[in-house]
Amino acid sequence: GEDVEQSLFLSVREGDSSVINCTYTDSSSTYLYWYKQEPGAGLQLLTYIFSNMDMKQDQRLTVLLNKKDKHLSLRIADTQTGDSAIYFCAETVYAGGTSYGKLTFGQGTILTVHP
Amino acid sequence: DAGVIQSPRHEVTEMGQEVTLRCKPISGHNSLFWYRQTMMRGLELLIYFNNNVPIDDSGMPEDRFSAKMPNASFSTLKIQPSEPRDSAVYFCASSLEGGGTHEQFFGPGTRLTVL
Repeated sequence: GEDVEQSLFLSVREGDSSVINCTYTDSSSTYLYWYKQEPGAGLQLLTYIFSNMDMKQDQRLTVLLNKKDKHLSLRIADTQTGDSAIYFCAETVYAGGTSYGKLTFGQGTILTVHP
Repeated sequence: DAGVIQSPRHEVTEMGQEVTLRCKPISGHNSLFWYRQTMMRGLELLIYFNNNVPIDDSGMPEDRFSAKMPNASFSTLKIQPSEPRDSAVYFCASSLEGGGTHEQFFGPGTRLTVL
């Protein structure tokens, strides 16, 4: 079955790095995602990683994937107050020639950045 | 592109009334998803459609909830009769399935309050 777990809260000081962690259970996951939700808005895709990769870097964002431990992390360098939001980890499964497109989301991590 | 459009943005109704939420997906997308977000349960997938056909409605809470997608550019989620526990933010998302990354684009949500 599919299950995605995240810690609920993270508080950091402006300028520090933030690391948000996620664990998942489905070893057949093909893509893993990080979505960001700002107050009063829908979710927006931040970045994703394909399951045959270990790391992906995109400007201030670094995604690390440990498939053995089924652990995904998102590191935000030089965290700014504008990064305060809820961050969701999600996975999808590509099963036997069928691209389902269904995502399983974690419960979200509330990131608070203090000046 | 205008993105995913949802209406209304806010809805306040009384228990027992019928509520209809509307969604216009991004033009050209072939999958559409309805989610519900609450503090207690996080983000829940209610139902999703592919090429206007319901694929998975296992997340629909009960018979009071129904969803339709009469054409590729419009979907509705109906609650009849509504109850206070239905109060939540309802998101619609769309994606283009078929060889891509399954990125889902979210609408701004409808905040439903049932008194």
